[in-house]
Amino acid sequence: GDSVTQMEGPVTLSEEAFLTINCTYTATGYPSLFWYVQYPGEGLQLLLKATKADDKGSNKGFEATYRKETTSFHLEKGSVQVSDSAVYFCALSEKPGANSKLTFGKGITLSVRP
Amino acid sequence: DGGITQSPKYLFRKEGQNVTLSCEQNLNHDAMYWYRQDPGQGLRLIYYSQIVNDFQKGDIAEGYSVSREKKESFPLTVTSAQKNPTAFYLCASSATGNGGWDEQFFGPGTRLTVL
Repeated sequence: GDSVTQMEGPVTLSEEAFLTINCTYTATGYPSLFWYVQYPGEGLQLLLKATKADDKGSNKGFEATYRKETTSFHLEKGSVQVSDSAVYFCALSEKPGANSKLTFGKGITLSVRP
Repeated sequence: DGGITQSPKYLFRKEGQNVTLSCEQNLNHDAMYWYRQDPGQGLRLIYYSQIVNDFQKGDIAEGYSVSREKKESFPLTVTSAQKNPTAFYLCASSATGNGGWDEQFFGPGTRLTVL
Protein backbone atom coordinates (compact mmCIF):
# COMPACT_ATOMS: atom_id res chain seq x y z
CA GLY A 1 0.00 0.00 0.00
CA ASP A 2 0.84 3.66 -0.03
CA SER A 3 3.20 5.02 2.59
CA VAL A 4 5.06 8.19 3.50
CA THR A 5 8.36 8.26 5.37
CA GLN A 6 9.64 11.36 7.11
CA MET A 7 13.00 11.94 8.70
CA GLU A 8 13.25 11.38 12.43
CA GLY A 9 12.81 14.35 14.70
CA PRO A 10 12.60 16.58 16.56
CA VAL A 11 14.55 19.32 14.81
CA THR A 12 15.83 22.39 16.64
CA LEU A 13 17.24 25.35 14.71
CA SER A 14 18.30 28.89 15.42
CA GLU A 15 16.36 31.73 13.83
CA GLU A 16 17.44 32.46 10.21
CA ALA A 17 18.90 28.97 9.75
CA PHE A 18 18.24 26.92 6.62
CA LEU A 19 15.63 24.17 6.96
CA THR A 20 15.33 20.85 5.14
CA ILE A 21 12.80 18.21 6.16
CA ASN A 22 13.05 15.00 4.17
CA CYS A 23 10.04 13.11 2.86
CA THR A 24 9.95 10.04 0.63
CA TYR A 25 6.96 8.07 -0.51
CA THR A 26 5.82 4.73 -1.86
CA ALA A 27 2.77 4.61 -4.11
CA THR A 28 1.43 2.29 -6.77
CA GLY A 29 0.11 5.08 -8.93
CA TYR A 30 0.94 8.70 -9.59
CA PRO A 31 0.00 10.56 -6.42
CA SER A 32 -0.38 14.18 -5.44
CA LEU A 33 1.92 15.28 -2.62
CA PHE A 34 1.27 17.67 0.25
CA TRP A 35 2.85 19.31 3.26
CA TYR A 36 0.53 20.09 6.16
CA VAL A 37 1.52 22.11 9.24
CA GLN A 38 0.11 21.93 12.77
CA TYR A 39 0.77 24.89 15.03
CA PRO A 40 0.61 24.31 18.79
CA GLY A 41 -2.92 23.59 20.01
CA GLU A 42 -4.46 23.73 16.54
CA GLY A 43 -5.61 21.43 13.77
CA LEU A 44 -3.67 20.87 10.56
CA GLN A 45 -3.60 23.30 7.68
CA LEU A 46 -2.34 22.85 4.16
CA LEU A 47 1.07 24.46 3.62
CA LEU A 48 1.75 23.54 -0.01
CA LYS A 49 1.10 20.87 -2.60
CA ALA A 50 2.28 19.49 -5.96
CA THR A 51 0.27 17.36 -8.34
CA LYS A 52 2.79 16.20 -10.95
CA ALA A 53 6.49 15.50 -11.40
CA ASP A 54 8.83 18.51 -11.24
CA ASP A 55 6.06 20.72 -9.86
CA LYS A 56 7.23 23.04 -7.09
CA GLY A 57 4.81 23.94 -4.35
CA SER A 58 5.53 27.11 -2.37
CA ASN A 59 3.94 29.12 0.42
CA LYS A 60 5.14 31.39 3.25
CA GLY A 61 8.76 30.99 2.13
CA PHE A 62 8.57 27.18 2.16
CA GLU A 63 9.18 25.16 -0.99
CA ALA A 64 9.02 21.51 -2.03
CA THR A 65 9.64 19.92 -5.42
CA TYR A 66 7.94 16.72 -6.60
CA ARG A 67 10.80 14.38 -7.59
CA LYS A 68 9.39 11.27 -9.23
CA GLU A 69 12.80 9.75 -9.92
CA THR A 70 13.71 9.75 -6.23
CA THR A 71 10.09 9.51 -4.95
CA SER A 72 10.75 12.50 -2.71
CA PHE A 73 9.10 15.76 -1.68
CA HIS A 74 11.56 17.47 0.68
CA LEU A 75 10.47 20.66 2.41
CA GLU A 76 12.89 23.61 2.48
CA LYS A 77 13.00 27.14 3.80
CA GLY A 78 15.91 29.49 3.46
CA SER A 79 15.53 31.35 6.75
CA VAL A 80 13.29 30.03 9.51
CA GLN A 81 11.53 32.18 12.09
CA VAL A 82 10.39 31.45 15.63
CA SER A 83 6.82 31.48 14.32
CA ASP A 84 7.63 28.46 12.12
CA SER A 85 7.80 26.25 15.22
CA ALA A 86 5.20 23.55 14.57
CA VAL A 87 4.70 19.94 13.54
CA TYR A 88 5.08 19.27 9.81
CA PHE A 89 3.39 16.37 8.03
CA CYS A 90 4.12 15.07 4.57
CA ALA A 91 1.17 13.35 2.87
CA LEU A 92 0.10 11.82 -0.41
CA SER A 93 -3.12 11.03 -2.19
CA GLU A 94 -3.60 8.69 -5.10
CA LYS A 95 -5.66 9.60 -8.14
CA PRO A 96 -9.11 11.02 -7.43
CA GLY A 97 -11.88 8.55 -7.00
CA ALA A 98 -14.41 7.15 -4.63
CA ASN A 99 -11.80 5.69 -2.30
CA SER A 100 -9.06 8.25 -2.63
CA LYS A 101 -7.60 9.14 0.76
CA LEU A 102 -4.75 11.10 2.32
CA THR A 103 -1.89 9.03 3.71
CA PHE A 104 0.23 10.90 6.26
CA GLY A 105 3.78 10.52 7.46
CA LYS A 106 4.45 10.48 11.20
CA GLY A 107 5.20 14.18 11.35
CA ILE A 108 8.25 16.01 12.62
CA THR A 109 8.42 18.69 15.30
CA LEU A 110 10.38 21.80 14.44
CA SER A 111 11.50 24.18 17.19
CA VAL A 112 13.12 27.49 16.24
CA ARG A 113 14.95 29.37 18.96
CA PRO A 114 15.56 33.14 18.89
CA ASP B 1 -16.60 32.86 9.09
CA GLY B 2 -16.60 29.45 7.46
CA GLY B 3 -14.83 26.63 9.20
CA ILE B 4 -14.96 23.44 11.20
CA THR B 5 -15.84 23.30 14.86
CA GLN B 6 -15.18 20.42 17.20
CA SER B 7 -16.50 20.11 20.70
CA PRO B 8 -15.56 19.71 23.38
CA LYS B 9 -11.88 20.61 23.31
CA TYR B 10 -11.10 18.28 26.21
CA LEU B 11 -13.12 15.22 27.14
CA PHE B 12 -12.71 12.78 29.98
CA ARG B 13 -14.36 9.39 30.04
CA LYS B 14 -14.47 6.51 32.43
CA GLU B 15 -13.60 3.07 31.17
CA GLY B 16 -16.62 1.24 29.78
CA GLN B 17 -18.47 4.36 28.71
CA ASN B 18 -19.32 5.40 25.17
CA VAL B 19 -18.63 9.02 24.26
CA THR B 20 -19.56 11.11 21.21
CA LEU B 21 -17.33 13.77 19.68
CA SER B 22 -18.99 16.53 17.73
CA CYS B 23 -17.86 17.88 14.34
CA GLU B 24 -19.71 20.59 12.43
CA GLN B 25 -18.73 22.41 9.23
CA ASN B 26 -20.31 25.37 7.47
CA LEU B 27 -18.13 25.18 4.36
CA ASN B 28 -20.79 23.33 2.35
CA HIS B 29 -18.32 20.49 1.85
CA ASP B 30 -19.51 17.09 0.70
CA ALA B 31 -16.76 15.00 2.31
CA MET B 32 -15.85 14.69 5.97
CA TYR B 33 -13.18 12.68 7.79
CA TRP B 34 -12.15 11.57 11.27
CA TYR B 35 -8.50 11.04 12.17
CA ARG B 36 -6.76 9.89 15.30
CA GLN B 37 -3.41 11.43 16.23
CA ASP B 38 -1.01 9.71 18.63
CA PRO B 39 2.50 10.89 19.49
CA GLY B 40 5.03 9.59 16.99
CA GLN B 41 2.40 7.95 14.79
CA GLY B 42 1.06 10.78 12.69
CA LEU B 43 -2.57 10.77 11.66
CA ARG B 44 -4.58 7.63 11.04
CA LEU B 45 -7.94 7.62 9.28
CA ILE B 46 -10.86 6.25 11.32
CA TYR B 47 -13.91 6.86 9.11
CA TYR B 48 -14.82 9.05 6.16
CA SER B 49 -17.99 10.12 4.42
CA GLN B 50 -18.23 11.43 0.89
CA ILE B 51 -21.95 12.16 0.91
CA VAL B 52 -24.85 12.34 3.32
CA ASN B 53 -26.12 8.98 4.58
CA ASP B 54 -22.99 7.17 3.42
CA PHE B 55 -19.66 6.49 5.11
CA GLN B 56 -16.73 4.08 4.86
CA LYS B 57 -14.27 2.58 7.30
CA GLY B 58 -10.76 3.91 7.33
CA ASP B 59 -7.64 2.16 8.55
CA ILE B 60 -8.53 1.91 12.24
CA ALA B 61 -12.35 1.79 12.46
CA GLU B 62 -12.63 -0.91 15.13
CA GLY B 63 -14.26 0.41 18.30
CA TYR B 64 -15.64 3.52 16.59
CA SER B 65 -18.92 4.43 14.91
CA VAL B 66 -20.17 7.41 12.92
CA SER B 67 -23.31 8.83 11.33
CA ARG B 68 -23.88 11.35 8.54
CA GLU B 69 -27.50 12.40 8.70
CA LYS B 70 -26.78 16.00 7.74
CA LYS B 71 -24.23 17.45 5.34
CA GLU B 72 -22.74 19.72 7.98
CA SER B 73 -22.41 17.19 10.79
CA PHE B 74 -20.29 14.05 11.24
CA PRO B 75 -20.25 12.89 14.88
CA LEU B 76 -17.85 10.17 16.03
CA THR B 77 -18.72 7.77 18.84
CA VAL B 78 -15.89 6.11 20.70
CA THR B 79 -17.33 2.92 22.11
CA SER B 80 -16.24 0.82 25.05
CA ALA B 81 -14.88 -1.68 22.52
CA GLN B 82 -12.05 0.70 21.62
CA LYS B 83 -9.17 -0.69 23.66
CA ASN B 84 -6.95 2.38 23.75
CA PRO B 85 -9.13 5.45 23.19
CA THR B 86 -6.94 8.10 24.80
CA ALA B 87 -5.79 10.26 21.87
CA PHE B 88 -6.22 13.52 19.99
CA TYR B 89 -9.10 13.34 17.48
CA LEU B 90 -9.22 15.55 14.41
CA CYS B 91 -12.15 16.11 12.08
CA ALA B 92 -11.66 17.38 8.54
CA SER B 93 -13.70 18.18 5.47
CA SER B 94 -13.09 18.69 1.76
CA ALA B 95 -15.17 20.09 -1.04
CA THR B 96 -15.69 16.76 -2.77
CA GLY B 97 -14.96 13.13 -2.10
CA ASN B 98 -11.80 13.11 -4.20
CA GLY B 99 -9.67 12.43 -1.16
CA GLY B 100 -6.55 14.51 -0.85
CA TRP B 101 -6.88 15.99 -4.32
CA ASP B 102 -9.10 18.49 -2.58
CA GLU B 103 -7.52 20.41 0.26
CA GLN B 104 -8.71 19.08 3.58
CA PHE B 105 -9.68 21.64 6.20
CA PHE B 106 -9.19 20.57 9.80
CA GLY B 107 -10.94 21.42 13.01
CA PRO B 108 -9.02 22.30 16.20
CA GLY B 109 -9.36 18.76 17.59
CA THR B 110 -10.71 17.07 20.72
CA ARG B 111 -8.36 15.53 23.26
CA LEU B 112 -10.00 12.47 24.80
CA THR B 113 -8.64 10.99 28.02
CA VAL B 114 -9.92 7.76 29.51
CA LEU B 115 -9.64 7.68 33.29
